[in-house]
Amino acid sequence: NAGVTQTPKFQVLKTGQSMTLQCAQDMNHEYMSWYRQDPGMGLRLIHYSVGAGITDQGEVPNGYNVSRSTTEDFPLRLLSAAPSQTSVYFCASSYRESSYEQYFGPGTRLTVT
Amino acid sequence: GQNIDQPTEMTATEGAIVQINCTYQTSGFNGLFWYQQHAGEAPTFLSYNVLDGLEEKGRFSSFLSRSKGYSYLLLKELQMKDSASYLCASAGGYQKVTFGTGTKLQVIP
Repeated sequence: NAGVTQTPKFQVLKTGQSMTLQCAQDMNHEYMSWYRQDPGMGLRLIHYSVGAGITDQGEVPNGYNVSRSTTEDFPLRLLSAAPSQTSVYFCASSYRESSYEQYFGPGTRLTVT
Repeated sequence: GQNIDQPTEMTATEGAIVQINCTYQTSGFNGLFWYQQHAGEAPTFLSYNVLDGLEEKGRFSSFLSRSKGYSYLLLKELQMKDSASYLCASAGGYQKVTFGTGTKLQVIP
């Protein structure tokens, strides 16, 4: 099992550009989530999904979209990148719902100039 | 809300015991996680407490008091490789997990 994979590992964007961060898991997990991690702020939940076709907003959803068309994939779309979105992004999955341990991907380091 | 508080930094000596505290204020509380995160890496799961009391896993133990909104992570026989950030996280209502800002632990010889 590959676990949770994320691509790309590093990305530099210019302000206003859009892009999609990819996340996939091969553990047949129902629950998937996206976090951003900034110094001194901890991990903050952006969006999450409790199953294919179901998504919901987390703590900091503005500027991001998600979809969950399959159990395996949960891409995060930046609509119009801003310098405030410079961060490390982690995707995570768990067997079911939020009371199960989450497995994290290796992260994507995004810089917006 | 789910405010989570934990110390920013701690230093401890190799071979010693350290306790990292976490307090939370939450409604719809479903349980408390501890994760370990080495610098530049992803978090990895350490423990999950849903009932009051102490759970032991080798050198690591985690305690929960639901009535006091309090948890701690206890690390025994500290090793240099335990230098990392330790993240407290609350599983709350609406399937959301809220993380604290993490405690950076430095283990010194």
